[in-house]
Amino acid sequence: GAVVSQHPSWVICKSGTSVKIECRSLDFQATTMFWYRQFPKQSLMLMATSNEGSKATYEQGVEKDKFLINHASLTLSTLTVTSAHPEDSSFYICSAKAGADYNEQFFGPGTRLTVL
Amino acid sequence: GQNIDQPTEMTATEGAIVQINCTYQTSGFNGLFWYQQHAGEAPTFLSYNVLDGLEEKGRFSSFLSRSKGYSYLLLKELQMKDSASYLCAVMDSNYQLIWGAGTKLIIKP
Repeated sequence: GAVVSQHPSWVICKSGTSVKIECRSLDFQATTMFWYRQFPKQSLMLMATSNEGSKATYEQGVEKDKFLINHASLTLSTLTVTSAHPEDSSFYICSAKAGADYNEQFFGPGTRLTVL
Repeated sequence: GQNIDQPTEMTATEGAIVQINCTYQTSGFNGLFWYQQHAGEAPTFLSYNVLDGLEEKGRFSSFLSRSKGYSYLLLKELQMKDSASYLCAVMDSNYQLIWGAGTKLIIKP
């Protein structure tokens, strides 16, 4: 099956710093990538949808200036959490769709972010 | 609004059968997914239903009734490793996934 990787798997940073998370589709071209956030014991919350070469579409309540998304190629999308604060500590998961004809999303392993 | 409902938690015994229900109300329908998520890990795909009926895949089966806005995931011959959260998600008319809150399944020996 299709494989999606994320890097790093976990990161601890100080409040006020920025953190970049990478999401890569390893064996397919992802026309669309999704970024989710999951707090403990809660379901996935879609943050934004990004299509290669265009600006990301953010969900209501998600600050696009704080969560910068770049989908520079068909195999790579990055999420940068700028000026991170402790309340941004969460599990960030990306997923990728191979194309319009494919409904299945393939998930990355997730990135655990802890902001001190 | 769009809504996915599934039980918060269920408990079952090793070797038994358990059925996890999911009801949905969405703007449009392009399929229903079931995912398994172990604590601290990302979801993994279990099944996809877009037509009415039962899809069987080993110990796991998924059923869909579009007219009733209803699906269930059936797990047979439960094993301890099946302890996880099971997420129901519906793809709406905009091809966006609408997620349920998940059902935490606890397997007891």
